[in-house]
Amino acid sequence: QSALTQPPSASGSPGQSVTISCTGTSSDVGGYNYVSWYQQHPGKAPKLMIYEVSKRPSGVPDRFSGSKSGNTASLTVSGLQAEDEADYYCSSYAGSKVVFGGGTKLTVL
Amino acid sequence: QLQLQESGPGLVKPSETLSLTCTVSGGSISSSSYYWGWIRQPPGKGLEWIGSIYYSGSTYYNPSLKSRVTISVDTSKNQFSLKLSSVTAADTAVYYCARQGRYCSGGSCYSLAFDPWGQGTLVTVSS
Repeated sequence: QSALTQPPSASGSPGQSVTISCTGTSSDVGGYNYVSWYQQHPGKAPKLMIYEVSKRPSGVPDRFSGSKSGNTASLTVSGLQAEDEADYYCSSYAGSKVVFGGGTKLTVL
Repeated sequence: QLQLQESGPGLVKPSETLSLTCTVSGGSISSSSYYWGWIRQPPGKGLEWIGSIYYSGSTYYNPSLKSRVTISVDTSKNQFSLKLSSVTAADTAVYYCARQGRYCSGGSCYSLAFDPWGQGTLVTVSS
């Protein structure tokens, strides 16, 4: 059982927007602005997409955005493209430890 | 650019110790801005943080694995290593190493996102 709760799956058609939630507690997501999101294609290593809740690393399309409200963080992918189909994981600093969500499989219909 | 590469046996017997090394190239492991971490992913499952180390040797571990994990660093070789003792089939996973951001303020330090990651190495626990 993962420390952070994500929906197992999400989907959307090309061009649409989809939002993936990541729910924790006041000891992790709600307590710090150190939430990150990772994209993982099959057989590949995870890739950082969002850090510190809403910041994008260089090279990540601005179609990817992050936010947080209380104990829940969210990743929004706008203008869905076929290559966005992947697993997405959230992670948070949790006071001397790091916790991950269980992952969400995003399907582009 | 910075690259990380995991190395070590792909097969470990039950009850033995899993040992992996991560070699960092394109940058120094001795940076005050980063921790260096290990993350694993059992086949078909999600990510699990194992632990992280600072170049000075200070470590912090996942409480669920702490009794079996040792992470060490060799700054002369720009490497850090993982040892996981008393392994079982449940420890079968792809093991990743990654650089982890570090931010300190007001006497406290915080661990940030993992970036970049190594390609990962599959370790199977089986007799």
